[in-house]
Amino acid sequence: NAGVTQTPKFQVLKTGQSMTLQCAQDMNHNSMYWYRQDPGMGLRLIYYSASEGTTDKGEVPNGYNVSRLNKREFSLRLESAAPSQTSVYFCASSLNGAHEQYFGPGTRLTVT
Amino acid sequence: AQSVTQLDSHVSVSEGTPVLLRCNYSSSYSPSLFWYVQHPNKGLQLLLKYTSAATLVKGINGFEAEFKKSETSFHLTKPSAHMSDAAEYFCVVSLDSNYQLIWGAGTKLIIKP
Repeated sequence: NAGVTQTPKFQVLKTGQSMTLQCAQDMNHNSMYWYRQDPGMGLRLIYYSASEGTTDKGEVPNGYNVSRLNKREFSLRLESAAPSQTSVYFCASSLNGAHEQYFGPGTRLTVT
Repeated sequence: AQSVTQLDSHVSVSEGTPVLLRCNYSSSYSPSLFWYVQHPNKGLQLLLKYTSAATLVKGINGFEAEFKKSETSFHLTKPSAHMSDAAEYFCVVSLDSNYQLIWGAGTKLIIKP
């Protein structure tokens, strides 16, 4: 099993550009999450999807949108990238709010 | 409101000596607590979790953690450090909603040969 996959692995954007980060899981999990990781701050939740068809804001949702495309896929969109969004982005999934989350390898995003 | 504090940003130990990574939490209810590990340029892996069963929790790679409600602590220990343990470790507490986790800032574990 691939587990949780993310694309792309690296991305450089100019301020104002848009892009979508893709995430897919093959573990038949119901819940999926997007986090950002910044130095010295741990992980912060951007958005989550408790189940297919639902999405909710996390701690730092401003500047982002998400789509739960189906049970497997959960995408994160930056409509107008800003330098403050330079970060490493992680997608995760869990069975059912069971708390044990499985993480993808991350996307390193730089906004210049 | 729930929060988690990792008391050391860096911990340095010699190979073969004990490891102690400290974590204190604040939670209105009986929390679920976790330790995750992140090796350099890698993703995150669950080390162990506490969910109101036994207070001493054993995880992978010889790590364990003890839940102490009176001290609101969940410290991570290992009797003998190995070079492969060099990584960043995160203490995590759940929110009551069951879908959100609050992450500590991380402790970088350095192993000296």
